[in-house]
Amino acid sequence: AQSVTQPDIHITVSEGASLELRCNYSYGATPYLFWYVQSPGQGLQLLLKYFSGDTLVQGIKGFEAEFKRSQSSFNLRKPSVHWSDAAEYFCAVGPSGAGSYQLTFGKGTKLSVIP
Amino acid sequence: EPEVTQTPSHQVTQMGQEVILRCVPISNHLYFYWYRQILGQKVEFLVSFYNNEISEKSEIFDDQFSVERPDGSNFTLKIRSTKLEDSAMYFCASNTNLGETQYFGPGTRLLVL
Repeated sequence: AQSVTQPDIHITVSEGASLELRCNYSYGATPYLFWYVQSPGQGLQLLLKYFSGDTLVQGIKGFEAEFKRSQSSFNLRKPSVHWSDAAEYFCAVGPSGAGSYQLTFGKGTKLSVIP
Repeated sequence: EPEVTQTPSHQVTQMGQEVILRCVPISNHLYFYWYRQILGQKVEFLVSFYNNEISEKSEIFDDQFSVERPDGSNFTLKIRSTKLEDSAMYFCASNTNLGETQYFGPGTRLLVL
């Protein structure tokens, strides 16, 4: 069964500092990988996705992520964090195989930004 | 930009009552999903729906749950007899094809008392 691990429950960074959120996955084949962001009281917004091709993908709001097959990782990065980036970030993998449609999410990393 | 909408945004109900959560997926999407997120926990898949039938469901999606596409625009999740542990945020999602990005609605926060 596929699984996603986000080892950091909560990260605090200063505004303007760089950010890296970790995501490791377990999957039997080449995965589809996603990062979603959830602001307080809001739904899930897609930041970026990897399906195939270039392993460095660019997303919205200045975020990028790099797929590393050898490490089974898909870490999210941003060179300079803004206060509005404070939110919860979810890594997801899916679908899980032929005929399966579901996304499997990690437990999320809550990002706090201090001025 | 088209988006998935959900109503109501919040619902409070008594244990044992039936609730219906409503979703309007993006108009040209063909696959529909429900997920839930219990407070402080991860988002969990409940069910997927395509061509007017359930494609896949998780262990959570037991006989108390049902889904329906009653017309060309709405997609509903019914919980027949709510339990305290059904309290969660319920997200609807949709996409055009298997494996394509799933677009999520803002969620319905359900509180069962």
